Amino acid sequence: DTVMTQSPASMSTSVGERVTVNCKASQSVGTVVAWFQQKPGQSPKRLIYLATNRHTGVPDRFTGSGFGRDFTLTISNVEAEDLAVYYCLQYDSIPWTFGGGTKLELK
Amino acid sequence: QVQLKESGPGLVQPSQTLSLTCTVSGFSLTSYDVHWVRQPPGKGLEWMGGIWGDGSTAYNSALKSRLSISRDTSKSQVFLKMNSLQTEDTAIYFCTRLRAAIWDYWGQGVMVTVSS
Repeated sequence: DTVMTQSPASMSTSVGERVTVNCKASQSVGTVVAWFQQKPGQSPKRLIYLATNRHTGVPDRFTGSGFGRDFTLTISNVEAEDLAVYYCLQYDSIPWTFGGGTKLELK
Repeated sequence: QVQLKESGPGLVQPSQTLSLTCTVSGFSLTSYDVHWVRQPPGKGLEWMGGIWGDGSTAYNSALKSRLSISRDTSKSQVFLKMNSLQTEDTAIYFCTRLRAAIWDYWGQGVMVTVSS
């Protein structure tokens, strides 16, 4: 199974800052990675597919990058509404696997 | 508009079988893949398995021996059946849609508690 090691597990930030979430795959997954945002009591919301493609309606402050084993979600100019848990997912090889999640909190 | 909605029993006894239904609207199950993802309380997400538009299925190897996913395209429903439930299967169960490598819509989820 491909293990997705996500870091950090949690981070504190301030509105207007830039934050980076990382996922490292235990083997190459090409660009077959998605990123999701989940707020308390809600289902996950799509952000990025195929590593770098932002879904329609997702603010351009969210950027996905990476290839192979290393992937990054960058949030520029964090807004209060971005406080949530973020998950990466590799869907290159079955079983598809999620990272452990990154909780973004306000300082 | 596109919707997915999970339904099923909120409480299941240990060793029993869980049966969940994902009822979809706004799209055809023959054109989109539907997958099941679960989330234990306070924990992360786990992909369980899915059924592709062509009817083929795939499962998480950790669950494969207990899990079955099927569908009724005429009713726009996808079914999940998992046997031998244990307390660690207590979770919110979501169904979600995928096509051409693009994940988009998710259901609201259904909470399932395994307890006697």
